[in-house]
Amino acid sequence: LAKTTQPISMDSYEGQEVNITCSHNNIATNDYITWYQQFPSQGPRFIIQGYKTKVTNEVASLFIPADRKSSTLSLPRVSLSDTAVYYCLVGDGLGGGGSQGNLIFGKGTKLSVKP
Amino acid sequence: NAGVTQTPKFRILKIGQSMTLQCTQDMNHNYMYWYRQDPGMGLKLIYYSVGAGITDKGEVPNGYNVSRSTTEDFPLRLELAAPSQTSVYFCASSYSLGQETQYFGPGTRLLVL
Repeated sequence: LAKTTQPISMDSYEGQEVNITCSHNNIATNDYITWYQQFPSQGPRFIIQGYKTKVTNEVASLFIPADRKSSTLSLPRVSLSDTAVYYCLVGDGLGGGGSQGNLIFGKGTKLSVKP
Repeated sequence: NAGVTQTPKFRILKIGQSMTLQCTQDMNHNYMYWYRQDPGMGLKLIYYSVGAGITDKGEVPNGYNVSRSTTEDFPLRLELAAPSQTSVYFCASSYSLGQETQYFGPGTRLLVL
């Protein structure tokens, strides 16, 4: 299972762009990279997913370099409501390659947005 | 659609008691999951199911049991509650396995004293 490493916490101010980088040196060929957001007392919520290069949706962008050993979640112009924990997950699906429980949520990155 | 619903929201158990955490989804998803989240930590997979009648262990299954008699419901059973099971429990569902988007319920906070 590919292990991920993220900063424990980050601070930002409203209106700034925030980039959270995740390292996944042992990513496998079939693995996708997925980011979830979790607010206090709520379940995680899907933000974005990608395999390579760049993916953009209405909420965020995901940048994945050619070697895929890291990825960067980019949140444009954050607001106070973006204060949350962000999880980077790497995996190909439960049971893939003989592994189980591939969706490993690490401790995530706690983003604090200040006014 | 209500999405994924969980009951109860909060429960206090005494050591040795048993209880069932309920989870229901109305999205007709085949795949359902149970996670636990300890304070300040990420989520750990307890059990998952790929369809009615089929369940399998995740990373931390000890002390728990599950069943899946219908597509909609995936209850989690604690037979002999222990303080180590104090946690927040999240149920999730997805259309297919793994990398597909998982939709999470609001969670059940369990305190074992």
